[in-house]
Amino acid sequence: GDSVTQMEGPVTLSEEAFLTINCTYTATGYPSLFWYVQYPGEGLQLLLKATKADDKGSNKGFEATYRKETTSFHLEKGSVQVSDSAVYFCALSQATGNQFYFGTGTSLTVIP
Amino acid sequence: DTAVSQTPKYLVTQMGNDKSIKCEQNLGHDTMYWYKQDSKKFLKIMFSYNNKELIINETVPNRFSPKSPDKAHLNLHINSLELGDSAVYFCASSLGLAGGGTDTQYFGPGTRLTVL
Repeated sequence: GDSVTQMEGPVTLSEEAFLTINCTYTATGYPSLFWYVQYPGEGLQLLLKATKADDKGSNKGFEATYRKETTSFHLEKGSVQVSDSAVYFCALSQATGNQFYFGTGTSLTVIP
Repeated sequence: DTAVSQTPKYLVTQMGNDKSIKCEQNLGHDTMYWYKQDSKKFLKIMFSYNNKELIINETVPNRFSPKSPDKAHLNLHINSLELGDSAVYFCASSLGLAGGGTDTQYFGPGTRLTVL
């Protein structure tokens, strides 16, 4: 079946460091891919998404490119801030089958 | 205005009790969901409704029963609460069908349930 695998956390970085959170997926067909972010004490909110191969989603300095050849959707940011401290979830959605799959989440802490 | 709201935000109760969590969305979406998030932040879908019709019903104990009086509301009733039910429960909504391709899900702030 379909699934999403994220790199294990927690991740701790200094402010202005480069961030990569790996995400790979297993799916049939052409799913849509998402990154959601959960700030402390809050619900998840969409960070970015890509709906077809080679699409790049971007928001708030974060980027991720839908790579079908490597079945990956890695999240990157060039310079993290303390306010980026949160849990990041990679997710996959299929147009058919009424299913939505979340990864296990990666906790990021940015220290000043 | 809050897009997806849940009440209560915190719920502390004894084992064996029955409790309900309410969810409302004012986005005009057709689909609503309930998720359970455990202490390790793992997120598991429990139920999904589309226009008041049950679409997704994952392997969840019968003690959990969703109710959708209209497409803007999806409530979760839990009977005979157990210690293992302690978690954060999130309601969410999306424009189209569950897993409908490109649709973004909008999450509520969560309800932290503690069973003593």
